[in-house]
Amino acid sequence: DAGVTQSPTHLIKTRGQQVTLRCSPKSGHDTVSWYQQALGQGPQFIFQYYEEEERQRGNFPDRFSGHQFPNYSSELNVNALLLGDSALYLCASSLRDRGFYEQFFGPGTRLTVL
Amino acid sequence: AQSVTQLGSHVSVSEGALVLLRCNYSSSVPPYLFWYVQYPNQGLQLLLKYTSAATLVKGINGFEAEFKKSETSFHLTKPSAHMSDAAEYFCAVSDRSGGSNYKLTFGKGTLLTVNP
Repeated sequence: DAGVTQSPTHLIKTRGQQVTLRCSPKSGHDTVSWYQQALGQGPQFIFQYYEEEERQRGNFPDRFSGHQFPNYSSELNVNALLLGDSALYLCASSLRDRGFYEQFFGPGTRLTVL
Repeated sequence: AQSVTQLGSHVSVSEGALVLLRCNYSSSVPPYLFWYVQYPNQGLQLLLKYTSAATLVKGINGFEAEFKKSETSFHLTKPSAHMSDAAEYFCAVSDRSGGSNYKLTFGKGTLLTVNP
């Protein structure tokens, strides 16, 4: 059973560029959440997708957008990159049934903005 | 609003010694609480979770945590540290109410160093 996968592993961009990160959830999961982890910090919630809609959003600007596909995979897009966007971007998947939603994390995509 | 405070950004112990990593939370509703571990250049792995059943929760790799509502704490312990326990540990809280969709709010992390 494949866990959460993310691509690419590493990415280097320059300021002002746009980037797309991809996530495939754990088999059977239908909800995808994205987190940003800056160096030396805990992960911060960006947004969550369920049924191809953004369900909740953290304190991130509109430059951060996402999408969920019918197969539950997801993309995170960041426009007009800033140096401060350099971070590890983590995708987490979960199953939205009754009860709590344990989130399983992928290995992350390390984004460096120069 | 939820928040998590992890006391001590860096904890150093000797191999075989007790590990104690502290976490205090703030939540307006009964929370779910989690501890995650992150090894260098890797994602997060769930160690254990509290979901309102037993207040003493046992996790993987010999770790356990106790939920204390009166102290709003969820400290992580392990009786005997092993070199392989060296990693960054994150405490997280999740709001149980459906409106929040169970997003996780993390602390800033505690780096655990194990000395031989």
